[in-house]
This record gives sequence, C-alpha cells and structure tokens, in this order.
Amino acid sequence: QVQLVQSGAEVKKPGASVKVSCKASGYTFTSYDINWVRQATGQGLEWMGWMNPDSGNTGYAQKFQGRVTMTRNTAISTAYMELTSLRSDDTAVYYCARGGIPARDYGMDVWGQGTTVTVSS
Amino acid sequence: QSVLTQPPSASGTPGQRVTISCSGSSSNIGSNYVFWYQQLPGTAPKLLIYSNDQRPSGVPDRFSGSKSGTSASLAISGLRSEDEADYYCATWDDSLSGRVFGGGSKLTVL
Repeated sequence: QVQLVQSGAEVKKPGASVKVSCKASGYTFTSYDINWVRQATGQGLEWMGWMNPDSGNTGYAQKFQGRVTMTRNTAISTAYMELTSLRSDDTAVYYCARGGIPARDYGMDVWGQGTTVTVSS
Repeated sequence: QSVLTQPPSASGTPGQRVTISCSGSSSNIGSNYVFWYQQLPGTAPKLLIYSNDQRPSGVPDRFSGSKSGTSASLAISGLRSEDEADYYCATWDDSLSGRVFGGGSKLTVL
C-alpha cells in the first residue's frame, strides 16, 4: 500500500539542527512532490515547503527560508527535511505529505505518521 | 495569523447538517482549487475534499465542498459522532508561491 514512514522523535537543544526522514513506498517516488507540514501542540497546520524528488527542485515558505533544506535520496525513496538554528517555538509534530504536480491543482493525499521534534535546553 | 480564515469552532447534533466556511482572497481561493483536510484527534491529517468539491475514494458522500469567488465551504450532513475532528481548508497562494492553510475549525458533535 501507498505509505510514507517517518523517522522517530527527536529532542534537540536550542541552536541545534534536526533532520527528519520520510520513506515512501507503494508508488513511484519521483512522480509526486513531497511537502513538509508542521503542527505545534494545540495549533493549526503550517506548510513549510515542497520538494520534487525527480529534479530535486524545492520551494520554501518565506518564514523558513534560510533555515530549512529539503533533499532526497531516490535510490532509497526517501525525502529529508533539515531545520537549523532550532528555537523553542520549533517544537512541533512534523509531517511529510505526498502532493500532486502541479501543487496548485492537487492536494496532499498521503501523509506520514508525524515526527515529534522537541527543542529544549 | 493564517492566510485563510475559518471559524475556530462548529457544532451540531447527530443527524444535523453543519457547514464550515473558509475565506481568502483573489490570490489564493479566488484563483485556485480549495482542499479540505480532516484531522481526527492524535492522527495525521487526511484529504477530505480536493478540487473544490471532489471526494477521494472512501470519503462518504455526507461530506461536500463548494467554492464561490474568494470563499469556500465544507458541508457535513447526517452528522455522526465520528465526525468530531479538526477541519482545515487549504489552497495555493499565487502571491506567496506556496500552499496555505486556514487556522482550522474544531467540530464538536453534541
């Protein structure tokens, strides 16, 4: 079945970086974008950006420009999201989600289970 | 502050029909498809409506979406207890060149 499986929970100190992985299975990895969405406890969904696994092209929300990098390893159908200079308000559940191409025409139809990232001194 | 505006809460009794609104602008809802996501407690979001009014396979026809101008709505008829969840509207924003979400609406089944 089509699924996205994310890496486990992380605890980081302020100023550190975190890299979350998202392994795709059940479909052709390079045929769909991978989006990253985060959700702080009790808060709404926040879109962080997208990556095209075929070309490696990316697009980031302005809020995260300069702090986020989205990459992939097509050999193992895995996408990565790295966030640097972590702050306490980066504490959230981070989701990867498959998106159709072009993004404006398609929703995010398959979601990972989420990865909890806690930033605390 | 979210780009798309939703009411923070909605409620209804079993069997009722409820609607959740989503307001945007010409650069987002006004020129792009609207999507709706359902997030049950403690779970990842699920695509509920795509292309304004289409349901993915497996989504009951009790759920329907519509769009007019720069606003959209999600309607749930025959309300059931298992519909209690957070609902988010989303679309593409041409000015921001990215996806945007509403702040979410918490649906309570009384």
